[in-house]
Amino acid sequence: DAGITQSPRHKVTETGTPVTLRCHQTENHRYMYWYRQDPGHGLRLIHYSYGVKDTDKGEVSDGYSVSRSKTEDFLLTLESATSSQTSVYFCAISESPGAYEQYFGPGTRLTVT
Amino acid sequence: AQSVTQLDSQVPVFEEAPVELRCNYSSSVSVYLFWYVQYPNQGLQLLLKYLSGSTLVKGINGFEAEFNKSQTSFHLRKPSVHISDTAEYFCAVEVSTNAGKSTFGDGTTLTVKP
Repeated sequence: DAGITQSPRHKVTETGTPVTLRCHQTENHRYMYWYRQDPGHGLRLIHYSYGVKDTDKGEVSDGYSVSRSKTEDFLLTLESATSSQTSVYFCAISESPGAYEQYFGPGTRLTVT
Repeated sequence: AQSVTQLDSQVPVFEEAPVELRCNYSSSVSVYLFWYVQYPNQGLQLLLKYLSGSTLVKGINGFEAEFNKSQTSFHLRKPSVHISDTAEYFCAVEVSTNAGKSTFGDGTTLTVKP
């Protein structure tokens, strides 16, 4: 299994509070991704990174920010959590886009009350 | 932009029966195609992928998929399913000119009944 961990694995927070989710990899892959998974919507890309300090937006980036100061860590921040951000969040990594598959972390279940 | 449609949200099937999970995509340029499986409370893992060459791709756990360019489809098949194949299956497409942005289908839940 690819070395990807996510923390925390579960979190309950209140509306309006900031939340940071962490993704850590030991594979030295250049690309890292954050997705959210909601029933009936599959996986939707929030942000991705193609190198240290190089990030770009996905299709559902509003309300989220990311940072990557080291190859191995990719942080997702919900600046002011809302109930619509209740979801399961997955981190993924890949060596390169295109022909290379993505390896997924175990997920973080976030509940915003 | 590319898109992916998984034509069935749920597929119930009896153990040892064959199964086909359908995936259509749209893109004006060449694509790479993937099938991932997600077991309960886990992340996704790759079943198989099509990059180029032979249109019949074999993956893990006895699954295979056929790329059909004219019908823009990439259907997943298994000749005989097991209870352990119960999971959610996702089709994904990545366009070579849109690096880093895979598009996933909404998923198909395969339920194998004894």
